[in-house]
Amino acid sequence: EIVMTQSPATLSVSPGERVTLSCRASQSVSSNLAWYQQKPGQAPRLLIYGASTRAPGIPARFSGSGSGTEFTLTISSLQSEDFAIYYCQQYNNWPPYTFGQGTKLEIK
Amino acid sequence: DVQLVESGGGLVQPGGSLRLSCAVSGLTFTNYWMTWVRQAPGKGLEWVANIKEDGSEKYYVDSVKGRFTISRDNAKNSLSLQMNSLRADDTAIYYCARGWLKFDPWGQGTLVTVSS
Repeated sequence: EIVMTQSPATLSVSPGERVTLSCRASQSVSSNLAWYQQKPGQAPRLLIYGASTRAPGIPARFSGSGSGTEFTLTISSLQSEDFAIYYCQQYNNWPPYTFGQGTKLEIK
Repeated sequence: DVQLVESGGGLVQPGGSLRLSCAVSGLTFTNYWMTWVRQAPGKGLEWVANIKEDGSEKYYVDSVKGRFTISRDNAKNSLSLQMNSLRADDTAIYYCARGWLKFDPWGQGTLVTVSS
């Protein structure tokens, strides 16, 4: 089973800042990685797939990069609605599909 | 709009059974794999099971193998998860989602609580 590790667990940032979230895989997942956003009381929403392709309707301030074992999600200028928990998920070796434990973005 | 609506959650005693359903609309159901993902209270996401478009392939996370059964009714655009021999650590919100590799969109979830 591939273990996904996200860092940091929590990130305190101010609106308007640029932020980068990290996700590491225990072995190569090529570019078979997705990012999801989850707000309190809501279901997750797909943001990025294929490591760098934005899902339909996702604002351009969200971007993903990386391949192999190291991935990043960047939000270029944080908006108030972006404060949420972000999860990465690999789909290279399945079953099982595996998620990271999440990074919580909170307001500084 | 694509809609996925889960139902069937509730409180069940350890060892009991529950059947979850997911009603899907706004897409051609027979074109897509479907997936169940769960989230324990205050915890992260865990993939549970998925099923191929025609139901011919099904996969499960090890912790539910032999206890849970995923199925679909393509005539009714419906996905199900039969959960038997439930344990306290099955307590979670259960989400259905469209997709085989990436999951999009997701339903709003249904809460399953296993407790005596």
